[in-house]
Amino acid sequence: DQQVKQNSPSLSVQEGRISILNCDYTNSMFDYFLWYKKYPAEGPTFLISISSIKDKNEDGRFTVFLNKSAKHLSLHIVPSQPGDSAVYFCAASGTNAGKSTFGDGTTLTVKP
Amino acid sequence: NAGVTQTPKFQVLKTGQSMTLQCAQDMNHNSMYWYRQDPGMGLRLIYYSASEGTTDKGEVPNGYNVSRLNKREFSLRLESAAPSQTSVYFCASSVVWGYTFGSGTRLTVV
Repeated sequence: DQQVKQNSPSLSVQEGRISILNCDYTNSMFDYFLWYKKYPAEGPTFLISISSIKDKNEDGRFTVFLNKSAKHLSLHIVPSQPGDSAVYFCAASGTNAGKSTFGDGTTLTVKP
Repeated sequence: NAGVTQTPKFQVLKTGQSMTLQCAQDMNHNSMYWYRQDPGMGLRLIYYSASEGTTDKGEVPNGYNVSRLNKREFSLRLESAAPSQTSVYFCASSVVWGYTFGSGTRLTVV
């Protein structure tokens, strides 16, 4: 049973528009959520996170929203840039801090 | 600022051979992790070490062993490689949340 799901394998948007990446989870013990970005042939890099006590966290062009009742989070990128084209992974951790469970990733393509 | 360094970057093994993947971090992080990523899938946790001297199994530990040699180094050993272990292996470290990943080891078992 996959505890973290990213149901859209791919997403394509025009440069300057909003990108919305979605993630659902099933384990109610998760209390910290993270997004990572991965370019080909590189390791993932940490992008943004949110604690379960918040419903929104913003960092520049990136905003993460958390809906605990729906067990759903989303990453908004505004405005999208071609350099944002990458695979985005959603991850979740429980009270055992660092150990994270990852989704399968969404490949974002931003077209010029 | 090297961050997390993994060696080797590429490796081809024959079925039944053994090898050790090396990982070292220079950020004084307590926790270290080994994940594998198969095509079209997310990262699955193999083993982790919450602190020096401790190791615990993750989601897919079968066929692997680990050693937390010191605070900096965390190695992953395949005792008898199988084609199902063909994957990209990532080492990561963290203070609490938010990993720093290495660039990965692409392993092919033939």
